[in-house]
Amino acid sequence: AQSVTQPDIHITVSEGASLELRCNYSYGATPYLFWYVQSPGQGLQLLLKYFSGDTLVQGIKGFEAEFKRSQSSFNLRKPSVHWSDAAEYFCAVGAQAGTALIFGKGTTLSVSS
Amino acid sequence: KAGVTQTPRYLIKTRGQQVTLSCSPISGHRSVSWYQQTPGQGLQFLFEYFSETQRNKGNFPGRFSGRQFSNSRSEMNVSTLELGDSALYLCASSDLGDNYGYTFGSGTRLTVV
Repeated sequence: AQSVTQPDIHITVSEGASLELRCNYSYGATPYLFWYVQSPGQGLQLLLKYFSGDTLVQGIKGFEAEFKRSQSSFNLRKPSVHWSDAAEYFCAVGAQAGTALIFGKGTTLSVSS
Repeated sequence: KAGVTQTPRYLIKTRGQQVTLSCSPISGHRSVSWYQQTPGQGLQFLFEYFSETQRNKGNFPGRFSGRQFSNSRSEMNVSTLELGDSALYLCASSDLGDNYGYTFGSGTRLTVV
């Protein structure tokens, strides 16, 4: 079955500390992988995406993610978290363009001062 | 470039009524997808339209329907509303080109009472 697992429901990180959000997927076809962020009451903003090529992808707001096919993972990282990064983060997987995205349940990030 | 516009932002309806939500995609984007977001089920795919044709449909009852117009604007309709239809409904558009990725609107918050 196709699925996305985000093992951490809630993470708290100190401002300035590094961050890693985990994402594991199960998908039969070649995956297109995405990370989105959602602030309360808002829609989803695309942070970064991976289709092929270099397995380390850079996104907006200083985020990066690494695709590891052998581990079926696509973890999101940021070297230094800012208070404005507090939000909910969603990992998603899809097939070719136009098909449904399958989302994980999300990870809520809190940033402490 | 204007983003994805969803109207209305908030809606309160009574059980048994029907509702129509609207989505205007980014100019030039011909693919429009709809997602339902609830605390319990997370983000679930409803359907996807491309050039006025529904290409993919999620696992939702027939009460959920949609359409796309020649200008790529899309509407979704929910008939005979149930309390469980209360959710944030998100629309996403894509150009499906090499740089494809879905851009989401801010959503319509539907409350069924």
